[in-house]
Amino acid sequence: DAGVIQSPRHEVTEMGQEVTLRCKPISGHNSLFWYRQTMMRGLELLIYFNNNVPIDDSGMPEDRFSAKMPNASFSTLKIQPSEPRDSAVYFCASSPRTRQETQYFGPGTRLLVL
Amino acid sequence: SQQGEEDPQALSIQEGENATMNCSYKTSINNLQWYRQNSGRGLVHLILIRSNEREKHSGRLRVTLDTSKKSSSLLITASRAADTASYFCASAQGGSEKLVFGKGTKLTVNP
Repeated sequence: DAGVIQSPRHEVTEMGQEVTLRCKPISGHNSLFWYRQTMMRGLELLIYFNNNVPIDDSGMPEDRFSAKMPNASFSTLKIQPSEPRDSAVYFCASSPRTRQETQYFGPGTRLLVL
Repeated sequence: SQQGEEDPQALSIQEGENATMNCSYKTSINNLQWYRQNSGRGLVHLILIRSNEREKHSGRLRVTLDTSKKSSSLLITASRAADTASYFCASAQGGSEKLVFGKGTKLTVNP
């Protein structure tokens, strides 16, 4: 199994630009999670999906952030417009079951907004 | 303090020594998990201990859970330079799907 795949691995953009991060979960996994990691705030859960349906987006910082999961094998996290404070490493993780089981993390996307 | 607080924040030891990291949490949990993160990489699951378990082993890892004290510890025995990483505990609370991660312990094992 290829594991969780994220793209791009690195993204440098200018303030105000739209950024789209992509994630392919492990085949057969039912839950998908988006996290953001910074030195100051640690690892924060932004949103998670169960069977492609968004369940809890309370961690999404503001309306500039949106996430979709159009099918079981693909999810996107979009930031529009991006700001320098969005600079962080964004991780996608998937889990085979719905209840608090092991999560499998992707390698992350390192985002720098200038 | 945040749910899933690790202690210490940083730990430096010599190869061959044991490393112990602690985690405290606030609310009741269904399970507690430990993850490792190497620099620049994603988190990797190490071990899961359920609320009705007190101790669990996996290779050189030993995890304990004390629900009365709302705490857990991760022991790495006979540490190696390759164990150098950050270690996070994550608690699964109540009926939520979510895991709440602490800020981690940064472990450095010197050769």
